[in-house]
Amino acid sequence: AQSVTQLDSQVPVFEEAPVELRCNYSSSVSVYLFWYVQYPNQGLQLLLKYLSGSTLVKGINGFEAEFNKSQTSFHLRKPSVHISDTAEYFCAVRAHSEGAQKLVFGQGTRLTINP
Amino acid sequence: DSGVTQTPKHLITATGQRVTLRCSPRSGDLSVYWYQQSLDQGLQFLIQYYNGEERAKGNILERFSAQQFPDLHSELNLSSLELGDSALYFCASSAGQGRYNEQFFGPGTRLTVL
Repeated sequence: AQSVTQLDSQVPVFEEAPVELRCNYSSSVSVYLFWYVQYPNQGLQLLLKYLSGSTLVKGINGFEAEFNKSQTSFHLRKPSVHISDTAEYFCAVRAHSEGAQKLVFGQGTRLTINP
Repeated sequence: DSGVTQTPKHLITATGQRVTLRCSPRSGDLSVYWYQQSLDQGLQFLIQYYNGEERAKGNILERFSAQQFPDLHSELNLSSLELGDSALYFCASSAGQGRYNEQFFGPGTRLTVL
């Protein structure tokens, strides 16, 4: 079984400041890792994913994340945030197994950008 | 726009009632997934269908059932509704079961049980 812990439920930052949203996971098998964003009253949109290869992955809207296998972490970063980045962010994992397609999500981190 | 559609957008009903939520996957996608987002439990996987057959089950209550039809749309049926069933229900679809298998999410149906 897999579990995901997002270490901060809320993160307030000022516009143009850098931000890091933290995610740790636990799994007895290898996993794929994802970050999704949910804007108010909308569905989930994929920001980025780690499947294999380089541990630093770049996504949409200037976000990037680094997979650290030894620390079982997949933290999301952006060097300079904008008001439009205000949203809820979800870290998720999926087991490598062909038969196990479900995503296991963390509790979410609400990112609030202040002007 | 992900290409996944869900109807209705909002649903308000009373305890004990039964409702049906509908999902149309992206064109060509064979897999459909249902997730529940509630304040208590967060985002949880409920069930997956692949080309009409159930493939995986999560924490889906016995009062809930789902099916995927030959045209690949899916319905989630919730019966004997309780206050705690109030949540946002998402449908997602993906092309198949391969490794690079991005799930595309619909806008969700917000269910309020009074």
